[in-house]
Amino acid sequence: RKEVEQDPGPFNVPEGATVAFNCTYSNSASQSFFWYRQDCRKEPKLLMSVYSSGNEDGRFTAQLNRASQYISLLIRDSKLSDSATYLCVVNMRTGNQFYFGTGTSLTVIP
Amino acid sequence: GAGVSQSPSNKVTEKGKDVELRCDPISGHTALYWYRQSLGQGLEFLIYFQGNSAPDKSGLPSDRFSAERTGGSVSTLTIQRTQQEDSAVYLCASSKGWGGNTDTQYFGPGTRLTVL
Repeated sequence: RKEVEQDPGPFNVPEGATVAFNCTYSNSASQSFFWYRQDCRKEPKLLMSVYSSGNEDGRFTAQLNRASQYISLLIRDSKLSDSATYLCVVNMRTGNQFYFGTGTSLTVIP
Repeated sequence: GAGVSQSPSNKVTEKGKDVELRCDPISGHTALYWYRQSLGQGLEFLIYFQGNSAPDKSGLPSDRFSAERTGGSVSTLTIQRTQQEDSAVYLCASSKGWGGNTDTQYFGPGTRLTVL
């Protein structure tokens, strides 16, 4: 089983829609969680950190559910510029490795 | 301030040649990571440096791969006797430290390696 799993999509949604992605992790000792976005042929860029029960930044809301071992990302009022691949990242804290999901592809359609 | 920089941005080499990839982390960041990403794939961890501690080399795919970090700053990833399967984007990231909210990683633009 992979350490971090994401639905690869693709998710194709119209502008203005709300879309949610989930990510599950296998190790209950995981301590820190992140969402990154990656545009085509670009490096990953931090979107949000998720340290406690969740947090919100504008149109983006991240939630952490430790009992079920998943994190989610909700995007409201989707913009064309939100089109990208969204990477779920987990740090086990028992070592030095960050585990990256393979990403969920989002395309926002005009 | 300046972000993570990597050089070269693109490298084309012939099978069997050695290559060196360079990473300049954000000033003051003690942790440095190397990853590689093949086309359409997720990030694969290669190696991690934290301060003066021994690096975590557990992700290096073979003994042809090695990395150094001099003076706790600049890092060089070396691939000896390159193979076609080494073709990928090599990404470097740095973070302030490890633990708490200091472990957020910031990525460089990557080096796109093509082995012919």
